[in-house]
Amino acid sequence: EADIYQTPRYLVIGTGKKITLECSQTMGHDKMYWYQQDPGMELHLIHYSYGVNSTEKGDLSSESTVSRIRTEHFPLTLESARPSHTSQYLCASSESPRLGYEQYFGPGTRLTVT
Amino acid sequence: AQSVAQPEDQVNVAEGNPLTVKCTYSVSGNPYLFWYVQYPNRGLQFLLKYITGDNLVKGSYGFEAEFNKSQTSFHLKKPSALVSDSALYFCAVRDPRTGFQKLVFGTGTRLLVSP
Repeated sequence: EADIYQTPRYLVIGTGKKITLECSQTMGHDKMYWYQQDPGMELHLIHYSYGVNSTEKGDLSSESTVSRIRTEHFPLTLESARPSHTSQYLCASSESPRLGYEQYFGPGTRLTVT
Repeated sequence: AQSVAQPEDQVNVAEGNPLTVKCTYSVSGNPYLFWYVQYPNRGLQFLLKYITGDNLVKGSYGFEAEFNKSQTSFHLKKPSALVSDSALYFCAVRDPRTGFQKLVFGTGTRLLVSP
């Protein structure tokens, strides 16, 4: 098991609420990622970070925002949750410049917006 | 653009039989290829990767995969399936020429191993 943690694991919240999904890793990895996983299983990259103070949007447009103030921490925030945000959110990290660059994933946060 | 295809939504196999989960890729250059497994309510776990060298790659839990450049495939295999292998399997590809370590994932294949 990789040393990457996500909290909460499950969250049910009402429409309009602000939420922050936490992701932390203790491996000292430079690069971190957020994926959204559809009920039909496919993963979509929504944010990534090269390192501290670096964030980029991924392939799938998302209303969420991220920050990277510390190497080990990469939280994702939704300012106003909507039912369309209901999904599983997976955080990952990878070492650089290790050859192959496999990503290590956290356990995920399953978000339900009512 | 890089892409990966997993043509089977589900693979069914009896315990003790060999299993194969298929993956084909499209990358202009020489790809980096990965297999991940996802158990219910869990994140993805890294199984194995192909970067260079021997076309047969061995990974965790007795899984292996064969890189076939002419067929642009990277099928996951195991000689003898276990019921505990039942899970979602994702193939992923990275074009090493890109400046960022972006992985493109397939749509996933559900493996069901029956007792």
